[in-house]
Amino acid sequence: DAGVIQSPRHEVTEMGQEVTLRCKPISGHNSLFWYRQTMMRGLELLIYFNNNVPIDDSGMPEDRFSAKMPNASFSTLKIQPSEPRDSAVYFCASSLGTGLDEQFFGPGTRLTVL
Amino acid sequence: AQSVAQPEDQVNVAEGNPLTVKCTYSVSGNPYLFWYVQYPNRGLQFLLKYITGDNLVKGSYGFEAEFNKSQTSFHLKKPSALVSDSALYFCAVRDGGYGGATNKLIFGTGTLLAVQP
Repeated sequence: DAGVIQSPRHEVTEMGQEVTLRCKPISGHNSLFWYRQTMMRGLELLIYFNNNVPIDDSGMPEDRFSAKMPNASFSTLKIQPSEPRDSAVYFCASSLGTGLDEQFFGPGTRLTVL
Repeated sequence: AQSVAQPEDQVNVAEGNPLTVKCTYSVSGNPYLFWYVQYPNRGLQFLLKYITGDNLVKGSYGFEAEFNKSQTSFHLKKPSALVSDSALYFCAVRDGGYGGATNKLIFGTGTLLAVQP
């Protein structure tokens, strides 16, 4: 298996633009997680899905952020409009979803908002 | 509320010496504990986990961790450090709860391990 796939790996955009990050989880995994990592705030869980359904979005910073999972093999995280403080590395992770299994992380998308 | 603490921002150790990266936790119910490693410009990689059973858990790359319920700790250890072990290490906990485990992980702030040659 190729592992969790994220695209793009790097994104540079200007303030106010829409940004869409993409994730393909490991086949057969039922849970998908979006995290954000910064030096100041560390690793933060933004949202997670079980069986394509959003379970907990309490970590989503504000309404500018939205996430979807239209099917078991694809998820997006969208920021509209983007702001410089959104600059971070965004990770997607997936797991079997048993509650006892480990999460597998993708390589991340490094987002820079100018 | 469940939480996990990594009291050291950085740990320095000489190659060949034993290393310990500390982690303490606070949960309601049974703790399910994890260690992850992050190399520069990479995603987190799973090292090991404690769910139940033997308090000494062995994982990848020669790492092990000891679960201590009375001290609410889950320290990561390795008998002999390698320069290539230099990375950021995260402890995480999932609250087992009374109705079963959730899928969320609560991560610590990370400990940077620096192994000097």
